[in-house]
Amino acid sequence: DAMVIQNPRYQVTQFGKPVTLSCSQTLNHNVMYWYQQKSSQAPKLLFHYYDKDFNNEADTPDNFQSRRPNTSFCFLDIRSPGLGDAAMYLCATSRTQGANEKLFFGSGTQLSVL
Amino acid sequence: TQLLEQSPQFLSIQEGENLTVYCNSSSVFSSLQWYRQEPGEGPVLLVTVVTGGEVKKLKRLTFQFGDARKDSSLHITAAQPGDTGLYLCAVIQANAGGTSYGKLTFGQGTILTVHP
Repeated sequence: DAMVIQNPRYQVTQFGKPVTLSCSQTLNHNVMYWYQQKSSQAPKLLFHYYDKDFNNEADTPDNFQSRRPNTSFCFLDIRSPGLGDAAMYLCATSRTQGANEKLFFGSGTQLSVL
Repeated sequence: TQLLEQSPQFLSIQEGENLTVYCNSSSVFSSLQWYRQEPGEGPVLLVTVVTGGEVKKLKRLTFQFGDARKDSSLHITAAQPGDTGLYLCAVIQANAGGTSYGKLTFGQGTILTVHP
């Protein structure tokens, strides 16, 4: 059974129209991450939550926001999607933030911007 | 400058051939991970190597961590079409104080295609 679940699998939005992607986990992990992956590229970390503490990467655009209302759920909000935001968005979790920590990834949401 | 340099970027081979993917850096790491990602799915952890010189085997996959813990390789013997995917090496970075904060940084990835 899937342990990190992302919905929807495919999302189409219009240029400038706000969109929210969701992620839920059944692992009760402390840490949840959002990665952006463009075609044929490696995933790039946008931000992560350790419990309720939010940690933004320095180069993540202001257009991207996140919410974590409880341990199980985390949302990625794109306030005004541009064509360059079309990508696969991956949610991941880890129990803690140790040096050898294992991350568990969801199947991703493929976002298209028209 | 990339923290992790992976090569080759693309690899297209016939079923039954052997291949090696490399992951290099000028930095020293306490551990290094290898992930495999199939199209339309998230990455899945294959192995974590921790000790310099360590070799780990996973069926037809052999992973090696360099003696100086700066580089790693993934060797696949007798590749099969089911091995097709994106292979990513990754490390968990430490913050300025030297403490891990769980940020997983990936290499650029190697797209492997194995033809029947």
